[in-house]
Amino acid sequence: DTAVSQTPKYLVTQMGNDKSIKCEQNLGHDTMYWYKQDSKKFLKIMFSYNNKELIINETVPNRFSPKSPDKAHLNLHINSLELGDSAVYFCASSQDPASYEQYFGPGTRLTVT
Amino acid sequence: QQPVQSPQAVILREGEDAVINCSSSKALYSVHWYRQKHGEAPVFLMILLKGGEQKGHEKISASFNEKKQQSSLYLTASQLSYSGTYFCGTELAGGSNYKLTFGKGTLLTVNP
Repeated sequence: DTAVSQTPKYLVTQMGNDKSIKCEQNLGHDTMYWYKQDSKKFLKIMFSYNNKELIINETVPNRFSPKSPDKAHLNLHINSLELGDSAVYFCASSQDPASYEQYFGPGTRLTVT
Repeated sequence: QQPVQSPQAVILREGEDAVINCSSSKALYSVHWYRQKHGEAPVFLMILLKGGEQKGHEKISASFNEKKQQSSLYLTASQLSYSGTYFCGTELAGGSNYKLTFGKGTLLTVNP
């Protein structure tokens, strides 16, 4: 069983489109995250939810909107996609937000053309 | 606030040792270490907490100097499987930060 899964694995789309990435974890964790990894491999936190409550909201464009329908799911919706949004987006989860190991999903490679 | 990792890259032969360093300009509560192989997700290695507690793999060792705000990851008798990019993530001390800020990574290549 996959602990943290993401769909889709690859996403190729044109500028201006709206797209969503879905994430699910079956570990029973309370906390989930979205990270962005750019072409230089820089891994940066975007958002974090704990028990469906937003606890980390980094400085990202408001075109990015996370949504957590329940503790096991965290989705990322991106409006009006731009070339600079091209990156690998990782979902992760941890038992709680305080210094527990994070389990990463396989990543979604988003390419905006 | 991004921690600084050194070296940026290191090449080893199987069986050799390596040390990867991570330093911060701010007081830290914890340091986390992850390894990412090419095309894969980061994988947890170890957490070092203020006060000396450690959580992680038995075969990986690391240190955390709270006063100097530095951590080092020790890879001994390296194996081919150790190859990958190593990231340290730091959690700041004081308050409910809950945020990991990752360094730029250290690319480790182990050759036969």
